[in-house]
Amino acid sequence: DGGITQSPKYLFRKEGQNVTLSCEQNLNHDAMYWYRQDPGQGLRLIYYSQIVNDFQKGDIAEGYSVSREKKESFPLTVTSAQKNPTAFYLCASSIGTGTEAFFGQGTRLTVV
Amino acid sequence: KQEVTQIPAALSVPEGENLVLNCSFTDSAIYNLQWFRQDPGKGLTSLLLIQSSQREQTSGRLNASLDKSSGRSTLYIAASQPGDSATYLCAVRRSNAGNMLTFGGGTRLMVKP
Repeated sequence: DGGITQSPKYLFRKEGQNVTLSCEQNLNHDAMYWYRQDPGQGLRLIYYSQIVNDFQKGDIAEGYSVSREKKESFPLTVTSAQKNPTAFYLCASSIGTGTEAFFGQGTRLTVV
Repeated sequence: KQEVTQIPAALSVPEGENLVLNCSFTDSAIYNLQWFRQDPGKGLTSLLLIQSSQREQTSGRLNASLDKSSGRSTLYIAASQPGDSATYLCAVRRSNAGNMLTFGGGTRLMVKP
């Protein structure tokens, strides 16, 4: 059963804490992405990775960090430096960066 | 910088109507364009992908067209059903910057029985 799995579905964080969102895919895709979605808005790119051990900043990378140690996994850490972290976070993958993108079910992060 | 706009932001129609959702983009140098559906609180489901060299793509009751020179795409939904109620997002893939997707704000569709 191939797909992209994001966990957890809901996450609560206290101000000043770092938190890591998980994204795993078993589609054998090379490229993976993290997007942020705010209410009533489209998606904005945080980070992307075209290959293992390599990643690039997207449009809104400040306050976030990623790693790509395995092809299947692309975790996103929301650091305390992110001023407004409450949002819906979506992970995606594709065979290559120019091909059709497939998305996970998202993680809703709330800062309390 | 590529900007993507979707009009209208929200749409409510009676069941059975044919409808058109609009997407416009400012930079015609795109690699392809993808339409997605998003149900409340869920991820995105890919509906159609149109390459920059194509004019349209069809899948079931959905038809997407692309006019790259004028920076427009439309998603046509035939014989709408209540199950079509969702937010529809278009995204263009830039020809530079690693072919990344730039998203519009979406059209929230409600089909009333």
